[in-house]
Amino acid sequence: SAVISQKPSRDICQRGTSLTIQCQVDSQVTMMFWYRQQPGQSLTLIATANQGSEATYESGFVIDKFPISRPNLTFSTLTVSNMSPEDSSIYLCSVEMLGREYNEQFFGPGTRLTVL
Amino acid sequence: DQQVKQNSPSLSVQEGRISILNCDYTNSMFDYFLWYKKYPAEGPTFLISISSIKDKNEDGRFTVFLNKSAKHLSLHIVPSQPGDSAVYFCAASKDDKIIFGKGTRLHILP
Repeated sequence: SAVISQKPSRDICQRGTSLTIQCQVDSQVTMMFWYRQQPGQSLTLIATANQGSEATYESGFVIDKFPISRPNLTFSTLTVSNMSPEDSSIYLCSVEMLGREYNEQFFGPGTRLTVL
Repeated sequence: DQQVKQNSPSLSVQEGRISILNCDYTNSMFDYFLWYKKYPAEGPTFLISISSIKDKNEDGRFTVFLNKSAKHLSLHIVPSQPGDSAVYFCAASKDDKIIFGKGTRLHILP
């Protein structure tokens, strides 16, 4: 398994500002992901954080709004840029590791973001 | 369009009884199905999975059933315990992408 920490755990931000969320894993992993869970919605994949290259974004998410860094195999950041109240959500970092039958995913505790 | 649906936002079950959480999906190309459990202020944790080529997988108190013709899967927890109170997410995987349902909040009553 993997132990994942995220900073900050929560924040309240003003409209138009940006927030960078950090994700730290206790072991080297190839695959790191960023998810969002809006109130009453399912977990939605934002992007795959690739080490040494640009992140791969899902439909509906763009690099200008959610820039991602992945400087090494244990760390990644997600920035929520030019925030609006619609960005209020829980943002989760996730990693994928080899399991017996299937690659298992482990999640960080999440960052609860409220935008006023 | 939601590809993975959990139509019950919440469920209450007496301690010791069986909890059954349901999930429907629309895409017949999913190759794995998973259940995650989430406590407040924590990330989801993997619970159990099932390959699309199987119809049942059991792990202790947890059993997942897959009915491909109905595009339906269910998670059975028996006997239910107080620590099982959590939000349960059904998820389906295709091409290494995981798509989640909205979750069902399970309350285990004393």
